[in-house]
This record gives sequence, C-alpha cells and structure tokens, in this order.
Amino acid sequence: DIQMTQFPSSLSASVGDRVTITCRASQGIRNYLGWFQQKPGKAPKSLIYGASNLANGVPSRFSGSGSGAEFTLTITSLQPEDFATYYCLQHKTYPRTFGQGTKVDI
Amino acid sequence: QVQLVQSGAEVKKPGASVKASCKASGFPFSAYFIHWVRQAPGQGLEWMGIISLSDAATIYAQKFEGRLTVTLDASTTSVYMELTSLRPEDTAIYYCALDYDAPLDVWGQGTLVTVSS
Repeated sequence: DIQMTQFPSSLSASVGDRVTITCRASQGIRNYLGWFQQKPGKAPKSLIYGASNLANGVPSRFSGSGSGAEFTLTITSLQPEDFATYYCLQHKTYPRTFGQGTKVDI
Repeated sequence: QVQLVQSGAEVKKPGASVKASCKASGFPFSAYFIHWVRQAPGQGLEWMGIISLSDAATIYAQKFEGRLTVTLDASTTSVYMELTSLRPEDTAIYYCALDYDAPLDVWGQGTLVTVSS
C-alpha cells in the first residue's frame, strides 16, 4: 500500500496568512493526488484533484502543486471559513490512502 | 443536483453486523464509482472500498477483507455497505463518496455506527 505522510499535523495561523501543507507519498504517484477540507461535524469536501486542479466552486486562494512523491496545498490569504482539517489522498492505486490530516486553527 | 443520502445512525452490539445505505440521485447511476470511507471519533479518514456502479465489481482494503461487503441495487439507485463481526473499534461515521467530476467529489452526510455492549 502507498503510505501518505502529511505535515504538519497542526498549525496556528491568522486571517490573511499564507498557509502551506505538505504531503509525501511512499512511492511515486505522478499527479494522482487530491486535497480535502473537513469542518467539525461535516463530511469532507474536495478542494483539489490531480495535484493542481481546483474542484468545482473552490475559491482561487486554494492551490495545489507537486508531482511524483511530494505535494503541497497552499492557501493564500487565509479566511475565517478556512479554519478546518485538511487531508491529502492518493488516487493512483488501490487501496486509496489518506494522509493523517492537518488541523488549521487560530 | 447530484446527491448521496445515507441511512440513519445505528447502535450495534459487538459481534453483530450493520448494513448502511447510500441513495444516489441526480446522475446516470450506472456510469460511476462509489467509495466507502470511515472516520472514528477524533481520528482521520480511512478508505474502506469501492464499487463500480456499471458492473458491481468491488475492491476492498485488505484490512476489511472478509468482513466488508459492498453491493448495489440499480432499481433503487442505492449502494449498501455491510460490515460484520463488529467490534468497539468499528465505532465511526461511515461515508459514501462518488467519483463524479473528480475523485470523491460528492459525499453523503455520513452514518454514525456505534458498537457497544
């Protein structure tokens, strides 16, 4: 199975900050990487797929980059509604595997 | 609109089975894939398995092989997840999620399964 290592596990930030989260795969996954946002008590929401493609309706302050085994999610100018937990997911092989999550709080 | 609506919360005793449903609407049922993902209290997301809505072919995470069965009923556009031999550590929210425009880009609201004696 492909292991996904995500870091940091948590971070504190302020409104307006630029935030970067990293996800590393245990083997190359080309660009088959997605990012999800989850708020307490809610289902996850797709943000990015294919490493850098914005999902429908996602604000442009979210962006993804990387290929092979290292990927980043960047949020430019953090907004109050962005405080949440973020997960990466490799969608190259089965079983699909998620990173452990990064909690972004104030 | 494209939607997945899941069945209600369940409470089960250790050793029992649970069968949760996921009703799909708003898209041609037979053309896509649906995943099951679970989340234990305070924990991360765990991928369990996937079913092809065109031919009902399934792939399961090895951890769940032998305990997990995912099926579909095309007549009701519903997908079912059955987990047997439940243990307390199976207490979690179970989500179905659809690969529509992108991997897992449409999610159900989740079904809470509590396993307790």
